[in-house]
Amino acid sequence: AQSVSQHNHHVILSEAASLELGCNYSYGGTVNLFWYVQYPGQHLQLLLKYFSGDPLVKGIKGFEAEFIKSKFSFNLRKPSVQWSDTAEYFCAVNALTDSWGKLQFGAGTQVVVTP
Amino acid sequence: NAGVMQNPRHLVRRRGQEARLRCSPMKGHSHVYWYRQLPEEGLKFMVYLQKENIIDESGMPKERFSAEFPKEGPSILRIQQVVRGDSAAYFCASSPPAGEDYGYTFGSGTRLTVV
Repeated sequence: AQSVSQHNHHVILSEAASLELGCNYSYGGTVNLFWYVQYPGQHLQLLLKYFSGDPLVKGIKGFEAEFIKSKFSFNLRKPSVQWSDTAEYFCAVNALTDSWGKLQFGAGTQVVVTP
Repeated sequence: NAGVMQNPRHLVRRRGQEARLRCSPMKGHSHVYWYRQLPEEGLKFMVYLQKENIIDESGMPKERFSAEFPKEGPSILRIQQVVRGDSAAYFCASSPPAGEDYGYTFGSGTRLTVV
């Protein structure tokens, strides 16, 4: 079955530490890839997306992600986190065999940044 | 430009009652999507609608759930005869048509509690 897997459910790290969140998907064809963030009590916000082109994608708030097609991965990174990065992070995939806009989400990774 | 508006934010229903969740898309968006988020899980796609049309309902439970997006007014997700297992956060998203700028935007969600 097609799926999106996020490797860690919970991550705790200190301010200024580097962050990397893993995301793998199992779709065989062409995909669009996304990372969303959900701050406590707020709606999901788009951090970055990949449709085509340069596999290293830069997003908002200093986040970036790298698409590695051979590994079916789209890992999210930030070199130095801040307390305000405490949130839940979701990887999502839109397979082009699916209808436009139908996103398949991973289970999410809860990130807690301690001062 | 108001974002995606969902109401109510919180909804409590007794088992057997009906729940109606409303979603007003962003101005200029003609596509609406509904997702459900169960505790400790990611968002699960339910249905994709355009005005007066259901495009993809592959994620909708076969019974008790229905969705509409009329020519005028908000999109409605309707759950009849609710059960405890329907307790979840329901998120709506809207977007412009495929091919335009990616403007996929989520609302703040409706948290349904069935008692």
